[in-house]
Amino acid sequence: AQSVTQPDIHITVSEGASLELRCNYSYGATPYLFWYVQSPGQGLQLLLKYFSGDTLVQGIKGFEAEFKRSQSSFNLRKPSVHWSDAAEYFCAVGARTNAGKSTFGDGTTLTVKP
Amino acid sequence: GAGVSQSPSNKVTEKGKDVELRCDPISGHTALYWYRQSLGQGLEFLIYFQGNSAPDKSGLPSDRFSAERTGGSVSTLTIQRTQQEDSAVYLCASSLRWDSPNYGYTFGSGTRLTVV
Repeated sequence: AQSVTQPDIHITVSEGASLELRCNYSYGATPYLFWYVQSPGQGLQLLLKYFSGDTLVQGIKGFEAEFKRSQSSFNLRKPSVHWSDAAEYFCAVGARTNAGKSTFGDGTTLTVKP
Repeated sequence: GAGVSQSPSNKVTEKGKDVELRCDPISGHTALYWYRQSLGQGLEFLIYFQGNSAPDKSGLPSDRFSAERTGGSVSTLTIQRTQQEDSAVYLCASSLRWDSPNYGYTFGSGTRLTVV
């Protein structure tokens, strides 16, 4: 069975600082990997995804993530955080079988200090 | 439509009543998923549709929960005899087929269900 762990429940960074949100997954083969963002009062929005090929993927809003098979990780990064990035971030793993059903982590809440 | 539409956006119901939650996916998206998000929790998978069939109902918490999809489009999630533990935000997502290079969920804004 697939599973996702986001070790950090809450992270606080200063505006302009760099950001890394951690995600570890468990899956028997090469998975689909996703990051979604949920802003306060908003629905979830897809930030980026990894299917195959280049292990460094670029997403919207200046985010990127790197798939590291040896570490079963898919960490999300941003070089300079903006106040509008404050939100909850969810990592998800999708099976290439089982109709692509995604399993989500419990989320990391990002607070941005001015 | 342009996005995934869910209705109602908010629903308050009395314990023991039945409720219906509706999801209208993006036109052309053959896959439809229901998830539940309880306060401070992650997303809990409920059920998945490919077309009108539901190959995976493994996440439905009890037989009080059911869902259907008609015409490969609109889906309805029904909760019978609601309980307080059913209170949550119910999220619907649609996507192209999982083997499409453009696969990825588009979520609706959710239905916030409160059982009193």
